[in-house]
Amino acid sequence: DSGVTQTPKHLITATGQRVTLRCSPRSGDLSVYWYQQSLDQGLQFLIQYYNGEERAKGNILERFSAQQFPDLHSELNLSSLELGDSALYFCASSVEGGPPDTQYFGPGTRLTVL
Amino acid sequence: AQKITQTQPGMFVQEKEAVTLDCTYDTSDPSYGLFWYKQPSSGEMIFLIYQGSYDQQNATEGRYSLNFQKARKSANLVISASQLGDSAMYFCAMREPLGGGADGLTFGKGTHLIIQP
Repeated sequence: DSGVTQTPKHLITATGQRVTLRCSPRSGDLSVYWYQQSLDQGLQFLIQYYNGEERAKGNILERFSAQQFPDLHSELNLSSLELGDSALYFCASSVEGGPPDTQYFGPGTRLTVL
Repeated sequence: AQKITQTQPGMFVQEKEAVTLDCTYDTSDPSYGLFWYKQPSSGEMIFLIYQGSYDQQNATEGRYSLNFQKARKSANLVISASQLGDSAMYFCAMREPLGGGADGLTFGKGTHLIIQP
């Protein structure tokens, strides 16, 4: 158990809908990262938040957005969902206290868009 | 161009044998970190080992060690005395620059390791 929690574990929805994925980082970690794992794209970095502020953006679509709240939990919002958005979405957290800043991953949310 | 290359899509290894999983990387930044993660069939990503670009010695963590050859830009994972529970996908990942406090990991496509009894 990494100490990172994600809810829900599974999510099934329809095209055009909007969903919210939730992540709680490990105690003491200030940084939260979101990743998408799909069969065709592999594991891709989406976005990073540090202590409530957006720190870095990866291959995140405009239909996707995220935020980190004062209690450091984070939410990833996916809207206008398409079939191709079906994937395993991971949240990871790290201390950001200096190298190596190892990222510890949550169990993931498996999103299925029908 | 791929930043992380894992050339072995799949490997079959006999239990108790040592196994080497290959990883080559591409970066022009002198400061970077290399990570290996294990993803069993249950789906979670488990951190295994880390090697920093300035580390003088190869990293070791229990049965895991990293064969770091900086000039060749390779960071191969070695698992000694393999066990059935080692069967999983293994991902090599890089963070650059290290210590900048920003940016996610870049992952390779992974190697599917199957340990046979």
